[in-house]
Amino acid sequence: NAGVTQTPKFRILKIGQSMTLQCTQDMNHNYMYWYRQDPGMGLKLIYYSVGAGITDKGEVPNGYNVSRSTTEDFPLRLELAAPSQTSVYFCASSYNGPWLAGETDTQYFGPGTRLTVL
Amino acid sequence: GQQVMQIPQYQHVQEGEDFTTYCNSSTTLSNIQWYKQRPGGHPVFLIQLVKSGEVKKQKRLTFQFGEAKKNSSLHITATQTTDVGTYFCAGPTGNQFYFGTGTSLTVIP
Repeated sequence: NAGVTQTPKFRILKIGQSMTLQCTQDMNHNYMYWYRQDPGMGLKLIYYSVGAGITDKGEVPNGYNVSRSTTEDFPLRLELAAPSQTSVYFCASSYNGPWLAGETDTQYFGPGTRLTVL
Repeated sequence: GQQVMQIPQYQHVQEGEDFTTYCNSSTTLSNIQWYKQRPGGHPVFLIQLVKSGEVKKQKRLTFQFGEAKKNSSLHITATQTTDVGTYFCAGPTGNQFYFGTGTSLTVIP
């Protein structure tokens, strides 16, 4: 199993450009997540999905869009890139979500995409 | 809004010394998870605590979940250079999932 893969690894965008960050998991996980991590900070949840066709907003969704047409893929779309979106973006997946009572599944993270907006 | 704070933000220790990071949430968490992130890497799950007052151990690491389920701690005994990295607590509230601010550990050989 490759686990969670993300492309690209690095990207530089100009202000106002758009791009899609790709995320794929081969573990047949139901839940997928997008986080951003600013330098020296913790991770913030952007969007998550509980299954194909179902997505929901996280703590910081503004400026981003997502879709989940298959179990495996969860792309993150940036429209009109801004310098404030300079960050490292992590995709993660888990079999069930962290909101269940009792023990829940761990989240497995991809290697991240380092995005700079100039 | 919801906040999950960790102290200290940075910690430098001599190899062999102990290390503790504290995690405090502004709201009750249904469970608490701990992750480790090596420099330049991605977060890796360490452990999950679910019950109020729960204590779990993994070799030299001891994790505690507070009675009110709003705070947690991670203690490392006799640090090694392989312990270097940033340690994050994380947990769900409502339909959101929050990571703490992290504690960056440097171990001096």
